[in-house]
Amino acid sequence: DGGITQSPKYLFRKEGQNVTLSCEQNLNHDAMYWYRQDPGQGLRLIYYSQIVNDFQKGDIAEGYSVSREKKESFPLTVTSAQKNPTAFYLCATTSGTAYGYTFGSGTRLTVV
Amino acid sequence: QKEVEQNSGPLSVPEGAIASLNCTYSDRGSQSFFWYRQYSGKSPELIMFIYSNGDKEDGRFTAQLNKASQYVSLLIRDSQPSDSATYLCAVRVVSGSARQLTFGSGTQLTVLP
Repeated sequence: DGGITQSPKYLFRKEGQNVTLSCEQNLNHDAMYWYRQDPGQGLRLIYYSQIVNDFQKGDIAEGYSVSREKKESFPLTVTSAQKNPTAFYLCATTSGTAYGYTFGSGTRLTVV
Repeated sequence: QKEVEQNSGPLSVPEGAIASLNCTYSDRGSQSFFWYRQYSGKSPELIMFIYSNGDKEDGRFTAQLNKASQYVSLLIRDSQPSDSATYLCAVRVVSGSARQLTFGSGTQLTVLP
């Protein structure tokens, strides 16, 4: 089945740790996005990538890093510089400007 | 002013009624408009999109767009308890090479049996 796979579903981070969230897609979409959602809030853009080996910062990129070494994969690293990382993280792709996004099932990150 | 604004609710309607969800946007260059449904703890799911002024119907859902007023709405007819969710409005402005959606904060809808 075509789709977007995010893993893990739940992730716990200790203070000072870096953690990496995985996002893999087999839809052959060029553009991929990472969003953060806090309780009762909308989606805020962290990073996006339109082609391999290229990515741009979104509205809240501080404390996060990404890579896009292959079309199928767009991992997000939450670094220790992100002071309030507890949130629901969503990866999305799109096939073009006329279309909406397809979302993965999300990763819920909690700081312990 | 937020780029995409929604009434956060909660909005409660009785089963069988029409639920009306509203969204306004600030950028007149906005070209595409989307409605997503998000159940608690789940990821958003696209339910409607509209590009042109007027109404677009799909089953019990109708999206309405008025670009002059910078207003987009979603009507849900014959509301069911299974429609209880948060509805996110999203707007696309194509600027340069960017292809991004800007989301509203969502309206929480509860359909009462």
